[in-house]
Amino acid sequence: GAVVSQHPSRVICKSGTSVKIECRSLDFQATTMFWYRQFPKKSLMLMATSNEGSKATYEQGVEKDKFLINHASLTLSTLTVTSAHPEDSSFYICSTWDYRTDTQYFGPGTRLTVL
Amino acid sequence: QKEVEQNSGPLSVPEGAIASLNCTYSDRGSQSFFWYRQYSGKSPELIMSIYSNGDKEDGRFTAQLNKASQYVSLLIRDSQPSDSATYLCAVRSNTGKLIFGQGTTLQVKP
Repeated sequence: GAVVSQHPSRVICKSGTSVKIECRSLDFQATTMFWYRQFPKKSLMLMATSNEGSKATYEQGVEKDKFLINHASLTLSTLTVTSAHPEDSSFYICSTWDYRTDTQYFGPGTRLTVL
Repeated sequence: QKEVEQNSGPLSVPEGAIASLNCTYSDRGSQSFFWYRQYSGKSPELIMSIYSNGDKEDGRFTAQLNKASQYVSLLIRDSQPSDSATYLCAVRSNTGKLIFGQGTTLQVKP
């Protein structure tokens, strides 16, 4: 199956700074990528759906100006958390979807801690 | 009403027993249903997918789907301590989004 990588795996930043998380689809051209957020002992919450070459579609309650998503190529999507605050500390997971086989591939996740 | 609902547990079963995990969903038009396992600090791993009403078996795992009742379940036979994890039910909407339930924590006691 497809391999999805994320970088960095962990990041600690100061409040007010911006953090960029990269998601790469290593052997699959991902026209659609999903970004999820997971708080401790909670489920994965879908933040947004990005399609290559177009603007991301954000879920209700997710601030698009705070969580900037770019999906400029079929192998790379980025999530930038702008002006991060401690409440943004979470586990961020990207995922690609092969609609032909209805298979979803998950990255290993990025643990963000905002001090 | 949440789109996908699960009992958060924890569900505790003795080693060798059958663990039964349940899930309901609200979108009657959903066609794809999944069970994932997630260990702490890791991404979810796919256990099974199911698309048709009835049972689907894979080793010790059996998924059951009842679209009329909007209900999906997962049975784990001969539960092992290594099965202790959080089990996530997920449903794909007709827009392609995969929506997760809150997960059920399973504890298998030796």
